[in-house]
Amino acid sequence: GAGVSQTPSNKVTEKGKYVELRCDPISGHTALYWYRQSLGQGPEFLIYFQGTGAADDSGLPNDRFFAVRPEGSVSTLKIQRTERGDSAVYLCASSPHGPGTGDFEQYFGPGTRLTVT
Amino acid sequence: GEDVEQSLFLSVREGDSSVINCTYTDSSSTYLYWYKQEPGAGLQLLTYIFSNMDMKQDQRLTVLLNKKDKHLSLRIADTQTGDSAIYFCAGRRDGYNKLIFGAGTRLAVHP
Repeated sequence: GAGVSQTPSNKVTEKGKYVELRCDPISGHTALYWYRQSLGQGPEFLIYFQGTGAADDSGLPNDRFFAVRPEGSVSTLKIQRTERGDSAVYLCASSPHGPGTGDFEQYFGPGTRLTVT
Repeated sequence: GEDVEQSLFLSVREGDSSVINCTYTDSSSTYLYWYKQEPGAGLQLLTYIFSNMDMKQDQRLTVLLNKKDKHLSLRIADTQTGDSAIYFCAGRRDGYNKLIFGAGTRLAVHP
């Protein structure tokens, strides 16, 4: 079946601009995660959704970052006033269930490479 | 705090076994994972192990967990050129959602 998809695959923007990154999780997966991967590093957690609500946003670096999942499926990560330090690969993952229901596996999308010039 | 550490690079000959090591500091890590990342691709879940297990085997992959030393390893038997990739170790606490990743080990397989 179809995996997690992310669009765009690449995004180049100028410092100070606003960007939106989209994630389509695996159909039926209720849990959705955003991670950020800088060059030479492992992914770092940003935010987790269970259904429509953000259950854990402790990884968002500052208030320029925001994410939504209005219908419990597609999610959009929004970054305001982008800075060069925001350049990274933004990864989305989904899981079939939430914690406490036997959910152990997170399936990742291919990522969006964001470059801020 | 939570920290996961891995050696950065491993080179093996095709057909040999590869052993990729990982240490973690959070003794509350209940689930431990291995992911594979090929160039330009997303993370592929290879396998995971619960903290109440010592070993898990899945075809060519063997995961060993030493809880006392907080040490996790991934052994790949009969390593092939297609196994060349970056391998990430990750931990997760029960009741939490986020995975804590190491920096990754780059595995190079040569003829």
